Amino acid sequence: SAVISQKPSRDICQRGTSLTIQCQVDSQVTMMFWYRQQPGQSLTLIATANQGSEATYESGFVIDKFPISRPNLTFSTLTVSNMSPEDSSIYLCSAQRGLTEAFFGQGTRLTVV
Amino acid sequence: QQQVKQSPQSLIVQKGGISIINCAYENTAFDYFPWYQQFPGKGPALLIAIRPDVSEKKEGRFTISFNKSAKQFSLHIMDSQPGDSATYFCAASSGGYQKVTFGTGTKLQVIP
Repeated sequence: SAVISQKPSRDICQRGTSLTIQCQVDSQVTMMFWYRQQPGQSLTLIATANQGSEATYESGFVIDKFPISRPNLTFSTLTVSNMSPEDSSIYLCSAQRGLTEAFFGQGTRLTVV
Repeated sequence: QQQVKQSPQSLIVQKGGISIINCAYENTAFDYFPWYQQFPGKGPALLIAIRPDVSEKKEGRFTISFNKSAKQFSLHIMDSQPGDSATYFCAASSGGYQKVTFGTGTKLQVIP
């Protein structure tokens, strides 16, 4: 499987600010996804990052709050905007190559104070 | 909407024992069922996966059993080791390039 690098690995941010998380894959992939995982909980899909077009958001997530970019086949960013303590979570980038294999980055642990 | 139900939430198994985690799904369009293993501070890693055209798949100590009519599948870890202590997620997806729906997770602890 390919390797996903996520930056930053963790951050502590003030409420009202924004944080951009970067996801770099070491080879071209077809699909890229962003997930949120509360500590000790399951993963919830935020959106599918589409290359060259707007991301596809899941119910409960909106572009104004979580703008996503995917300028090419190996890179994507997720911004968490106007943060509140409720946004404290682990954010995970996932990529898919081929029809089945999906792999994950290490995640970004975000704490909003 | 919870589309993949997983149990138990936590599991303690003696070293050398068998760990069993069960999952059930609702969406009959699902055609790919992976299991992920996640260690603290790490992202989930694909462990083993199965398609509904087979009833069982084995890789080393890990076996998936699949019951299409009951819409259930399970992970068996044989000869469980302390290094297997992690959180396990069952998941499901459909149609190839599709998002993965995760179960709620099972925290496994293997004690010496």
